[in-house]
Amino acid sequence: GAVVSQHPSRVICKSGTSVKIECRSLDFQATTMFWYRQFPKQSLMLMATSNEGSKATYEQGVEKDKFLINHASLTLSTLTVTSAHPEDSSFYICSARHTPTTGQGYNEQFFGPGTRLTVL
Amino acid sequence: GENVEQHPSTLSVQEGDSAVIKCTYSDSASNYFPWYKQELGKGPQLIIDIRSNVGEKKDQRIAVTLNKTAKHFSLHITETQPEDSAVYFCAASRGSTLGRLYFGRGTQLTVWP
Repeated sequence: GAVVSQHPSRVICKSGTSVKIECRSLDFQATTMFWYRQFPKQSLMLMATSNEGSKATYEQGVEKDKFLINHASLTLSTLTVTSAHPEDSSFYICSARHTPTTGQGYNEQFFGPGTRLTVL
Repeated sequence: GENVEQHPSTLSVQEGDSAVIKCTYSDSASNYFPWYKQELGKGPQLIIDIRSNVGEKKDQRIAVTLNKTAKHFSLHITETQPEDSAVYFCAASRGSTLGRLYFGRGTQLTVWP
């Protein structure tokens, strides 16, 4: 259980185009999803927190008009990189928070396989 | 906010030996501490976690210990195998309150056959 998928796994696009990345929780409902960016040999950098049915909360320094996030259902969140440029090339990873229906109330996060974006 | 420090940044061990990775955190309100394994080109995979009401947790060759007083927690891998080679990240969270994870910088573990 607790599987998160991302699509596409890899995308190459021309500078100036927009790219949409999908994140799905396959076997559980996720009221909250997170979007991360990871540079080579570095840790995960949180970009934004996405809550179903409401606006995403962006971390300081992340341009909300550049990275559009939509969380329209309990199993799907999308990240759109608008007018992509070479500096946006990176590994983008989503995670979904699994809130147990019973128990201690701790929220485990499960990560997707990531999307490698290359902007030419 | 929370600050998570992770050491060492690289670790090389011989197959069969044990590996230990240590993390410290700054926020005494943190109560959930997961460990993730990330293989090259893949997303992080949750391998074990511990809650603040537990001092130690074990799952086969992997164990995690937590010292709340000292605000540090450690990952122990015994009888290492080449397939354990990966980057390991520790993280801390307030769990049900906020949910966001604060990550360490990662440890590149290499297990030599």
